[in-house]
Amino acid sequence: KNEVEQSPQNLTAQEGEFITINCSYSVGISALHWLQQHPGGGIVSLFMLSSGKKKHGRLIATINIQEKHSSLHITASHPRDSAVYICAVGSSSGSARQLTFGSGTQLTVLP
Amino acid sequence: DSGVTQTPKHLITATGQRVTLRCSPRSGDLSVYWYQQSLDQGLQFLIQYYNGEERAKGNILERFSAQQFPDLHSELNLSSLELGDSALYFCASSVGGGPYEQYFGPGTRLTVT
Repeated sequence: KNEVEQSPQNLTAQEGEFITINCSYSVGISALHWLQQHPGGGIVSLFMLSSGKKKHGRLIATINIQEKHSSLHITASHPRDSAVYICAVGSSSGSARQLTFGSGTQLTVLP
Repeated sequence: DSGVTQTPKHLITATGQRVTLRCSPRSGDLSVYWYQQSLDQGLQFLIQYYNGEERAKGNILERFSAQQFPDLHSELNLSSLELGDSALYFCASSVGGGPYEQYFGPGTRLTVT
């Protein structure tokens, strides 16, 4: 079983829809990261969180430490949100600096 | 633009060869991380340096090595290349050595033929 599981693997939405991507992990963590990878390959860090909720524009990330679960929400989705969204965790034991990655969620937003 | 630079953008080489990938971190960042992204394995952590010293090691092959120089730029050396080494190699940087937000470079696409 992978330490970091993301769902769904693929998601297609219509422009304007509210989108949720989920991430579950099996280890104690120091922090959880949400990353965005565009078709060109570049990776952008969206959020790093260890508790609660963070918001940036139309993006919201939440984490429930007890349930070992995080969600990334996109409100009023737009075709430019089409990308792969990757969840990554830093372990609280051993090397917190070593990130373990989920396999990513391919999001396509149709106009 | 994250402020992290990587060169070259693309690299095509033959099996058995040796290549060097270069990364310059954001101004002020002391930590550099190397990651490999292949089609079958996804993103994997290779190694981290903090202020010139190795801090953490992941799934890095013995044929691969890295270092961070006094000016904080880092190089990843890949030798005795195999077809399976074809991948995107990303460098990221962060301000400190702990769990800080990481800023990713544009990546180097390595193709081994």
